[in-house]
Amino acid sequence: GESVGLHLPTLSVQEGDNSIINCAYSNSASDYFIWYKQESGKGPQFIIDIRSNMDKRQGQRVTVLLNKTVKHLSLQIAATQPGDSAVYFCAETPDMEYGNKLVFGAGTILRVKS
Amino acid sequence: KAGVTQTPRYLIKTRGQQVTLSCSPISGHRSVSWYQQTPGQGLQFLFEYFSETQRNKGNFPGRFSGRQFSNSRSEMNVSTLELGDSALYLCASSLGWGSGNTIYFGEGSWLTVV
Repeated sequence: GESVGLHLPTLSVQEGDNSIINCAYSNSASDYFIWYKQESGKGPQFIIDIRSNMDKRQGQRVTVLLNKTVKHLSLQIAATQPGDSAVYFCAETPDMEYGNKLVFGAGTILRVKS
Repeated sequence: KAGVTQTPRYLIKTRGQQVTLSCSPISGHRSVSWYQQTPGQGLQFLFEYFSETQRNKGNFPGRFSGRQFSNSRSEMNVSTLELGDSALYLCASSLGWGSGNTIYFGEGSWLTVV
C-alpha cells in the first residue's frame, strides 16, 4: 500500500550543529513533497516543499534534497536551535489524480540539547 | 492573515454519540482536507473538498462524513462514536486542487471518546 517511511524515529543533536532528517517514499509517481514540523499540542507547520522536477530547494536555515532514483527525501536544518525541537514529518502527494491528498511518514522526533 | 481555524479545540464524547467539527480555511483557499492523527496510525487522510464537492476519500468507514459550504468552510461528522475514534482531527486548506498546492494545517480538534 501507500507508505512514506522514516529511517530514524528519534534524532538528538547539539545546539548549533546541523540536523539531517531522512525519509523514504514508496510511490515513484509522487510529484510533490512537503516537510512539516509539529510541536506538542499543535498542528503541523509547513516548513518547505519540493516538486519532483527539482532535486534541491533551500529556505531559511533549511534545505530539502530529493533523490528520485532511490526515492529518498531529506531535510537539513542548519545551526539547529532549541526551538527546532519537534516531530518532523515528510509527506507526499501521490499524483495529480489524488489532488491535495497527503501521505505522511511516521515522523522523526528531533531533540536539541543545549 | 488568519490561518486555518478549527472549532472546538477540545471535546469529550460518549460512545455511540455523534460529533461535528468545524473548519474555516485561510481566506481565499477553496480546498479543505481532513486528517486523523493517532499515536498508533499517525496522520491519515480522511477526505478532501473543493468547490463544495468531495474530491478524495480515505479508507475510513461511512461513519465519517464531511461537507463544504459555499464560503469554503467545512464540517466533518463522526456518527456512532467508538473508543478508537479518539484522536486529533486536523483540517488543512490550500488555494486550489491538485498536486503542488501548499497545504496549511490548523491546530486541530482533540476528540476523546469515553
